[in-house]
Amino acid sequence: QSVLTQPPSASGTPGQRVTLSCSGSSSNIGSNTVNWFQQLPGTAPKLLIYSNNQRPSGVPDRFSGSKSGTSASLAISGLQSEDEADYYCAVWDDSLNGWVFGGGTKLTVL
Amino acid sequence: QITLKESGPTLVKPTQTLTLTCTFSGFSLSTNEMGVGWIRQPPGKALEWLALIYWNDDKHYTPSLKSRLTITKDTSKNQVVLSLTNMDPVDTATYYCAHLQLRGAFDYWGQGTLVTVSS
Repeated sequence: QSVLTQPPSASGTPGQRVTLSCSGSSSNIGSNTVNWFQQLPGTAPKLLIYSNNQRPSGVPDRFSGSKSGTSASLAISGLQSEDEADYYCAVWDDSLNGWVFGGGTKLTVL
Repeated sequence: QITLKESGPTLVKPTQTLTLTCTFSGFSLSTNEMGVGWIRQPPGKALEWLALIYWNDDKHYTPSLKSRLTITKDTSKNQVVLSLTNMDPVDTATYYCAHLQLRGAFDYWGQGTLVTVSS
């Protein structure tokens, strides 16, 4: 059972906008910034969003992040087939004194 | 350009100790705020953070595995070593090392190495 809760699956059609959620607590999301990772099949995770809403160089602006209270969201607009992947949220937890990852959401592009 | 690569055994027996090495380039662990972490992923399952070491030798471990984990660095070789004692089949996973800066994110990842625990 992950400290951060993500829905196990989500889906959308090409061109659609989808939002993935990540729920935590006051000791993690409520106190620290959230990062999002994209993991394509058979590859290492890739940093998609850091500090709640910042995109590393090279990440399309179709990807955006937000945080409110003890929850965070990743939005993907203009969904494309290559967005089909697993998405993980991660944040530092002050109580555990370590990093925690969500259980991941598998995004399917229909 | 930051790169990292994991190396170590692909197969270990139950009760043995796993030792993995992360060899990196493009940064130095003697530079302020630099860090390297280890994350693992059992087949078909989620990512799990294991350990983290900073430039100043500050170390952090996931509480559930703290008694079994040791992380060290060799700044001169640009390497970070992770040891996990008393291996069990449930420890079968792909093990990744990743770069981060203090208060930052895991921004560069190695390709990962699959470790299988079986007699």
